[in-house]
Formats: sequence, structure tokens, C-alpha cells
Amino acid sequence: DAKTTQPPSMDCAEGRAANLPCNHSTISGNEYVYWYRQIHSQGPQYIIHGLKNNETNEMASLIITEDRKSSTLILPHATLRDTAVYYCIVRVAKAAGNKLTFGGGTRVLVKP
Amino acid sequence: NAGVMQNPRHLVRRRGQEARLRCSPMKGHSHVYWYRQLPEEGLKFMVYLQKENIIDESGMPKERFSAEFPKEGPSILRIQQVVRGDSAAYFCASSPSASRQTGQDYGYTFGSGTRLTVV
Repeated sequence: DAKTTQPPSMDCAEGRAANLPCNHSTISGNEYVYWYRQIHSQGPQYIIHGLKNNETNEMASLIITEDRKSSTLILPHATLRDTAVYYCIVRVAKAAGNKLTFGGGTRVLVKP
Repeated sequence: NAGVMQNPRHLVRRRGQEARLRCSPMKGHSHVYWYRQLPEEGLKFMVYLQKENIIDESGMPKERFSAEFPKEGPSILRIQQVVRGDSAAYFCASSPSASRQTGQDYGYTFGSGTRLTVV
């Protein structure tokens, strides 16, 4: 799986949008961008994934650049409960057994 | 519709004892993955199993650690003769087989973890 680079930490004001960047310059054509988060002491939670088109669900939006070398996860209205470590992972989708490789992630602190 | 169930949530063992961690995958999921998270560190892949088979154990320590996923019952991660350095959170995840993954590929579903403390 391609390696990803994320800033180690960022702060965000409650109610504002949080924009989390991720670089994946060596991504392959069949690799998807996945985002997970880990709230303190809990198991990782799936957020969203995409291949090349922008994606949106009830939790977040994912913006992938045209060359697919980077992406941004957007939490539109951050709440205190969004404080967590956010992981950007690239992997081949629908490939059972393709293990997730977690990097350091971005530690997001949402402040009131 | 229960998610991935791990038990116990917390486990305390003395040095030299054995630790057994259990993971029941989501209904319909036939693939199980174990990850370890040392204090203040990231998640590290340990092993990937299907029913009765170990598929990828590239992340497993060479000694004292073993895993199984029997035909019936939960997956078990077993640590023999525990040492203080084994203290960590151990997470299990499950996924359906590739043939059953739908367009809505949510990847893995993780359990809440077992926190092992070796004293």
C-alpha cells in the first residue's frame, strides 16, 4: 500500500469546518483513499473512502485532487466529540485480506 | 446487529502467565485481523485469519504469540509467558469476503479492544 503523510496535529474551533490534509504521492491507480478515526481508547472507526471523485456522507466530505496525489477530509461542523486521531490510508478496495497500514495520523483537538 | 465483539475489555496478567484474547467477528464476516497498539503509539498489524487458516502473520512476534480462528467460535489471540512489554491495547477487526463486499465498501469494522496490563 502507498505511504501517506499527514500533519501530526491540528486544532479546530467548535462549529467550524476542519480540513485535514493527506499526501499520497505514490498512490497506484487501483488504490482508494480511506479515512478512519480513533477516539481515545476506542477502536478505529471508518469515516469515508474514495477513488478519484469527491465523496460525501453524513460524517464528512472527501476531496481528492485531480492527480490523486493528495486529499482533504472535511468535517463540516466540528464538535467536541470529533476530537480524535484521524488516519488517512490508501489501499486496494474490495480486496479481503488487504491489511490496513496505519501511519501516525493527525491528532485533532476541537476546542470550544 | 452486533458489531465486532472483543472480550475481555481489560485483562491483567502477572509476568509469565498466559493471556487469551477473544474476538467474535460481525455476523457474515469471515475474515479477522488483529492489531496491537502500544501506549502512545500507532496501530500495528499482527495477523490476518480466515476460518481455520492463518493467511498473513507477518506482524506477529516470532515467539510466545499465536492466533487461531476455529471453524466454530471466536478468534483467539494467545500470548504465552507475558512480559511487561506486552502491555498494550489489542484490537480485532473483521471484514466480509471479497465476493460479498458490496459497492458500499466500508472496509473493516473494529472492535473496542482488549487492554492488557502485565504486572
